[in-house]
Amino acid sequence: QVQLVESGGGLVKPGGSLRLSCAASGFTFSDYYMSWIRQAPGKGLEWVSYMSNTGKTISYADSVKGRFTISRDNAKKLLYLQMNSLRVGDTAVYYCARDNEEVNQVLYERYFYMDVWGKGTTVTVSS
Amino acid sequence: SSELTQDPAVSVALGQTVRIRCQGDNLRSYYANWYQQKPGQAPVLVIYGKSNRPSGISDRFSGSSSGDTAYFTITGAQAEDEADYYCNSRDSSANHLFGGGTKLTVL
Repeated sequence: QVQLVESGGGLVKPGGSLRLSCAASGFTFSDYYMSWIRQAPGKGLEWVSYMSNTGKTISYADSVKGRFTISRDNAKKLLYLQMNSLRVGDTAVYYCARDNEEVNQVLYERYFYMDVWGKGTTVTVSS
Repeated sequence: SSELTQDPAVSVALGQTVRIRCQGDNLRSYYANWYQQKPGQAPVLVIYGKSNRPSGISDRFSGSSSGDTAYFTITGAQAEDEADYYCNSRDSSANHLFGGGTKLTVL
């Protein structure tokens, strides 16, 4: 079945680095944009980054720009998030999600949504 | 800056209808999506686009919009609908945007 499984979370000191992975299965990974979203303890969802299916288009939230790097390996069906210069405020559950796009040709409408989510991996930044 | 605003908490009596609101300028350009999140679980997409439900999602759930506001409606709320609900859309740079979430309590 369609599935995303994150890994790589853990405890790291401020200023440290961590690389998260997201393994995809059950769908043609190379057809889809992919996103990382995080959720700090007791807080709401925050989009972090996305990458196009080819890897040519990338975007980051201002809060992580210059510190985090998204990448993917379509042959291995893996999405990555390299996190450097980590801060206490980066403590969160990190989810990967599949970006989907649908065109309604009758109504001439386009929909963008994240339809498959992993269970998340926990990153704790603390001294 | 772009943002989506949701009421922090809403309650509904069992079996009644509840509407959750999401407001933002970007909703004039993009439809809102809605996600349900129960404690300790990942978010689940429940409504996307105008009012589309992914396979397996209850038909008690629906969506609508008017101007800069999107609405998520549960008709005949059940105990299992108690959860956090997040709206999501895009900003002017086509980046994802989430509302702050609404905690739904079923009384």
